Amino acid sequence: GQQLNQSPQSMFIQEGEDVSMNCTSSSIFNTWLWYKQDPGEGPVLLIALYKAGELTSNGRLTAQFGITRKDSFLNISASIPSDVGIYFCAGHPTNAGGTSYGKLTFGQGTILTVHP
Amino acid sequence: DADVTQTPRNRITKTGKRIMLECSQTKGHDRMYWYRQDPGLGLQLIYYSFDVKDINKGEISDGYSVSRQAQAKFSLSLESAIPNQTALYFCAPAWDKYEQYFGPGTRLTVT
Repeated sequence: GQQLNQSPQSMFIQEGEDVSMNCTSSSIFNTWLWYKQDPGEGPVLLIALYKAGELTSNGRLTAQFGITRKDSFLNISASIPSDVGIYFCAGHPTNAGGTSYGKLTFGQGTILTVHP
Repeated sequence: DADVTQTPRNRITKTGKRIMLECSQTKGHDRMYWYRQDPGLGLQLIYYSFDVKDINKGEISDGYSVSRQAQAKFSLSLESAIPNQTALYFCAPAWDKYEQYFGPGTRLTVT
């Protein structure tokens, strides 16, 4: 089935640093989503992207839909301790039909630790 | 935010017991999804539904069943719980677009 390669798997940074993570796919996607999950909680949608090249911000977070439609990245600027958590990318393949339609493919997550 | 409620939030049950996890949402989403998350792992799709009369299996449906009693309610049942079904379970309603809004989760432990 579809797979998303999300990297890095984990990051340890100092408060105030910028963070960058990305997802790549072997298939073309028509949607990229970025979620954050706090321990023991459900993932929260941060940013949704629907057009190739689209660059969208949500506060200190910025995400881009890659031009090739096979990748996306998420940047966090000036990190703070509450940024700690697991960040997931997710996407919907462009040519999904039949049993793939309407189902998201998720990356394995990036664990972010921020040291004060 | 889909105003998603999951009950129970935590549950400990014994091997062989039947258990039902419930999910309800207040925003009128047509689509609803059930996921399982194991410690340190990503999200695996169990079942999903596009409307009340539509039920579809996900990647790991064996040992699970679902019921879409109404547009707002989507229940997940474990017919005979086993220890390797110990996990976090999330319900996620969605609009026709692909944005899924996850509930707070149910932590299930099978002893």
